[in-house]
Amino acid sequence: TQLLEQSPQFLSIQEGENLTVYCNSSSVFSSLQWYRQEPGEGPVLLVTVVTGGEVKKLKRLTFQFGDARKDSSLHITAAQPGDTGLYLCAGTSGGGADGLTFGKGTHLIIQP
Amino acid sequence: NAGVTQTPKFQVLKTGQSMTLQCAQDMNHNSMYWYRQDPGMGLRLIYYSASEGTTDKGEVPNGYNVSRLNKREFSLRLESAAPSQTSVYFCASSRQGVRTGELFFGEGSRLTVL
Repeated sequence: TQLLEQSPQFLSIQEGENLTVYCNSSSVFSSLQWYRQEPGEGPVLLVTVVTGGEVKKLKRLTFQFGDARKDSSLHITAAQPGDTGLYLCAGTSGGGADGLTFGKGTHLIIQP
Repeated sequence: NAGVTQTPKFQVLKTGQSMTLQCAQDMNHNSMYWYRQDPGMGLRLIYYSASEGTTDKGEVPNGYNVSRLNKREFSLRLESAAPSQTSVYFCASSRQGVRTGELFFGEGSRLTVL
């Protein structure tokens, strides 16, 4: 079973600060996805990265896929209360079985 | 657009009772999935259906059965509920599988087994 370790598990910061959350594995993934989940709702896709070393930006969010395709990071600049949520990384190995492997997530709270 | 719709949203069962969680998607997606989400465990795949007429086990299939009724609908059945099955269940769909696209999730079904 491929595992994705996310850190930190919990993060609470003030509005305007920058932060980075991490997603690490000992396995190689053919692609990694980042989702955000708000209370009482299902996860919603933010981005998919597929190429080692790839960097994608989504407004104040910057996603990076490691060169070896074993890890990824999410950096948020000038965090806002609306960024509060559970951030999940999920990977696919490209093998025979379908379905994503999810990390346990980072609970992010942005305080006004 | 409704997207992925799950019913019921909340359910309380006694140990040994059975129930079926219903899921329907209106996006003409080929692949559908059932996940459970537990505190400290993340999302774990129970079963998936890569296309109409096929189903496969995921990471935690024991105690569950599924039916891909047609392209739109994918149900999850608990034949004899156990307290360990207390969880939030999410149905998801994907156009052509996760290797080529994103998962679209429903709002979840909260199940408590007493």
